[in-house]
Amino acid sequence: DAGVTQSPTHLIKTRGQQVTLRCSPKSGHDTVSWYQQALGQGPQFIFQYYEEEERQRGNFPDRFSGHQFPNYSSELNVNALLLGDSALYLCASSSVDRNEQFFGPGTRLTVL
Amino acid sequence: EDQVTQSPEALRLQEGESSSLNCSYTVSGLRGLFWYRQDPGKGPEFLFTLYSAGEEKEKERLKATLTKKESFLHITAPKPEDSATYLCAVQAGTGNTGKLIFGQGTTLQVKP
Repeated sequence: DAGVTQSPTHLIKTRGQQVTLRCSPKSGHDTVSWYQQALGQGPQFIFQYYEEEERQRGNFPDRFSGHQFPNYSSELNVNALLLGDSALYLCASSSVDRNEQFFGPGTRLTVL
Repeated sequence: EDQVTQSPEALRLQEGESSSLNCSYTVSGLRGLFWYRQDPGKGPEFLFTLYSAGEEKEKERLKATLTKKESFLHITAPKPEDSATYLCAVQAGTGNTGKLIFGQGTTLQVKP
């Protein structure tokens, strides 16, 4: 049973560029959440998608946007990258009727 | 404001030396408290969910307990492979949205 997968593993961008990160949820899961984890900190909630709609959003600017596809996979887009966007971006999947979230390995984004 | 605080920030133990990690929380309407283990550069690995005060869960050398204001992760006779960062998170509010609020983590080092 495949767990949560994310791509790419690592990414290097320059300030002002745009980036797209991808996530495939665990088999049987229909809900995807995205988190940003700065070095030495706990993950911070960005947003959650269910039934292809953003269901809840954390305190992140509109530069952060997302999408969920009919197969439940998801994308995170970040526009106009800032140095402070450098972090580990984590995707977590869950089932709408269960509370537990299972995380992928993350995408390490470095903004130069 | 919902908040999670973990202590200590870092803990060094000798192999076999038991100890406890603390997670204090302030939330409106706790729906669940979660413990995760995170190895460097990887995504968090789910360990336990606790739902109500007095509940306990065990897995190998780990035992998690919950009170109305805090949770403890007890590590009995730890081994070097238990070295990792342990994250605590809470889910709060009504409905079935899934935002997790994380603490900053406790980094555990177990020396042989």
